[in-house]
Amino acid sequence: GAGVSQSPSNKVTEKGKDVELRCDPISGHTALYWYRQRLGQGLEFLIYFQGNSAPDKSGLPSDRFSAERTGESVSTLTIQRTQQEDSAVYLCASSSRLGGGYEQYFGPGTRLTVT
Amino acid sequence: GENVEQHPSTLSVQEGDSAVIKCTYSDSASNYFPWYKQELGKRPQLIIDIRSNVGEKKDQRIAVTLNKTAKHFSLHITETQPEDSAVYFCAASFGNEKLTFGTGTRLTIIP
Repeated sequence: GAGVSQSPSNKVTEKGKDVELRCDPISGHTALYWYRQRLGQGLEFLIYFQGNSAPDKSGLPSDRFSAERTGESVSTLTIQRTQQEDSAVYLCASSSRLGGGYEQYFGPGTRLTVT
Repeated sequence: GENVEQHPSTLSVQEGDSAVIKCTYSDSASNYFPWYKQELGKRPQLIIDIRSNVGEKKDQRIAVTLNKTAKHFSLHITETQPEDSAVYFCAASFGNEKLTFGTGTRLTIIP
């Protein structure tokens, strides 16, 4: 079946502009996660959605970052007034609790470059 | 919150030899420990995982061991091959909550 998809695959934006990144999780997956990966670095947790529960926003680095999720489907990560330090690959992942599974399936990522 | 440390940051081994990567975690409530492999420019992919009710798990040439008392877990790759070259990340979570990742190990297999 289809995996996690993300769009756009690449985004170049000018400092100060807003950007929206999209994630389509695997159908039926109740959990959705956003991570940030700077060049040559590890994966940094940003935000986590689980069903209809309030999202865990503890990883968002500043109030310029926000995310929404429509039900158990698409999610958008919005970065306002982008800064050069926001340049990174933004990865989305989804997982299902069915059968006690914990595996997170990652999308291909959106490479964001802020000039 | 959870903190995961990973060592070494880089590792080079001769083809055919074994590679071992070690991680420690801080939150005793964590009960799920996956390992992800990330090839250059690609997305992370799960290669093996272990839950806290098991001490060891093996899948062909890869194995993971978990010591809950010491709060550390390790990835073992035997008979390494060139295609094993990648960055490996350990992680920890409570169930399928958010993963806390280690900083990664760049593994290079020398032909």
